[in-house]
Amino acid sequence: NAGVTQTPKFQVLKTGQSMTLQCAQDMNHEYMSWYRQDPGMGLRLIHYSVGAGITDQGEVPNGYNVSRSTTEDFPLRLLSAAPSQTSVYFCASSAGGVYNEQFFGPGTRLTVL
Amino acid sequence: DQQVKQNSPSLSVQEGRISILNCDYTNSMFDYFLWYKKYPAEGPTFLISISSIKDKNEDGRFTVFLNKSAKHLSLHIVPSQPGDSAVYFCAASALLNRDDKIIFGKGTRLHILP
Repeated sequence: NAGVTQTPKFQVLKTGQSMTLQCAQDMNHEYMSWYRQDPGMGLRLIHYSVGAGITDQGEVPNGYNVSRSTTEDFPLRLLSAAPSQTSVYFCASSAGGVYNEQFFGPGTRLTVL
Repeated sequence: DQQVKQNSPSLSVQEGRISILNCDYTNSMFDYFLWYKKYPAEGPTFLISISSIKDKNEDGRFTVFLNKSAKHLSLHIVPSQPGDSAVYFCAASALLNRDDKIIFGKGTRLHILP
C-alpha cells in the first residue's frame, strides 16, 4: 500500500512554462484535493474532487487546472507558470471528504524563475 | 480575511509538561474542526478532530477542547514528548452545509525542550 504518491519531488520552471504535477492514491478514496503551502501561510486549498469526473475550486484556484478521469489519479496542471506559484504542493485523499482523515502525499517543491 | 487563526507562530515546552496550542475561528458556519501535525519535508498527518456537538474529544495524549461561544479551540498534549516537535495546523469546515472545503490556519511550530 503506497498511500498517496506525488511526482516529481522537486521541479524548477521558467516563467511561462507549463507542467503537470502528478498525484495518485491506491486506497480507493473518492475525495482528493490539492493544497499549496507558502511560508507563514498555512495550507490553502487549490482544487478538490469528490469523485471521478467531478472537480471544484478551492480558495486559490487561479492559474491551475485539474481533471479527475479515474478514482486513483488527480493531476494538477499549471498552464503558464508564474513566480507567484513558487510553493510546496501537497495532494491529499480521503474516504469521506474533509470530515474524515485526509492522507497527504510527501509534497512537490516547485520553483518558478 | 483569515477565517482560522493560530496567533502563536511558535511555542516551546519542556518535555513531560503540557503543550497547549490555540486556534480561533471567525466563521460561525464552521462546525467541524481538525488538527494536523507536520514534520519537515513530509506531508501533514491527521491528529484529532471534533464536531461542534461536543466540547471535548480525547485520543491518548491528545485532547481537543471546543468553546463555541468564544469560537475557540485548543489542543492539549500531555505529557509532551520530543517526537511532538512539529508544526500543528488547525482546520475547520462547515459539515452541516455539506461544504467540501476546509480552511487551515497558518500553523504553530511546537518545540519540545529536553
